[in-house]
Amino acid sequence: QVQLQESGPGLVKPSGTLSLTCAVSGGSISSSNWWSWVRQPPGKGLEWIGEIYHSGSTNYNPSLKSRVTISVDKSKNQFSLKLSSVTAADTAVYYCASLKAVAGTGGAFDIWGQGTMVTVSS
Amino acid sequence: EIVLTQSPATLSLSPGERATLSCRASQSVSSYLAWYQQKPGQAPRLLIYDASNRATGIPARFSGSGSGTDFTLTISSLEPEDFAVYYCQQRSNWVITFGQGTRLEIK
Repeated sequence: QVQLQESGPGLVKPSGTLSLTCAVSGGSISSSNWWSWVRQPPGKGLEWIGEIYHSGSTNYNPSLKSRVTISVDKSKNQFSLKLSSVTAADTAVYYCASLKAVAGTGGAFDIWGQGTMVTVSS
Repeated sequence: EIVLTQSPATLSLSPGERATLSCRASQSVSSYLAWYQQKPGQAPRLLIYDASNRATGIPARFSGSGSGTDFTLTISSLEPEDFAVYYCQQRSNWVITFGQGTRLEIK
């Protein structure tokens, strides 16, 4: 059973860079899954940030694309998120999640991490 | 980008009643629509994928239907643990979007 675990600083300063890592256990990051980051501001809905395949291919939310970088480390079986130039609006619970898909359409998130709260504040 | 609009925003029902939640897409997503349940302090849980397929371990009282732009999640007889927030989600042309959610509350 694949499990996901997020880690990273819980507090980031405005204009800084948010960095999180998602460790994959119980399975290989090189399986036929797309690995995503999803966030949820307090009291609000879910927002997809972006996804990566083990080959390194990425897709990003158009509204965040200019600030987001997602990378994969197959040797450590993990993937990471960097979000630059953060503001208070980036304060949220950040989830990593796994989606099975063979192409660019279709798929659902069947596995989620527990989520990690990141606050942007000085 | 495909916009998903869920209705109603809040649904107030009693245990044992039938719940019907709607998700409308701004353009066709074929049958590539999923539904999630989220309880406070928890990650979302996959209920339905490809519009009508129950995920592993999901009770039979949950069912999904629809195709194209109009989709429905039905809970046939509400249990106390079903009161939560429900989201729909699609992935099309390498972009994923979620609906804004429907809060199912106890009447």
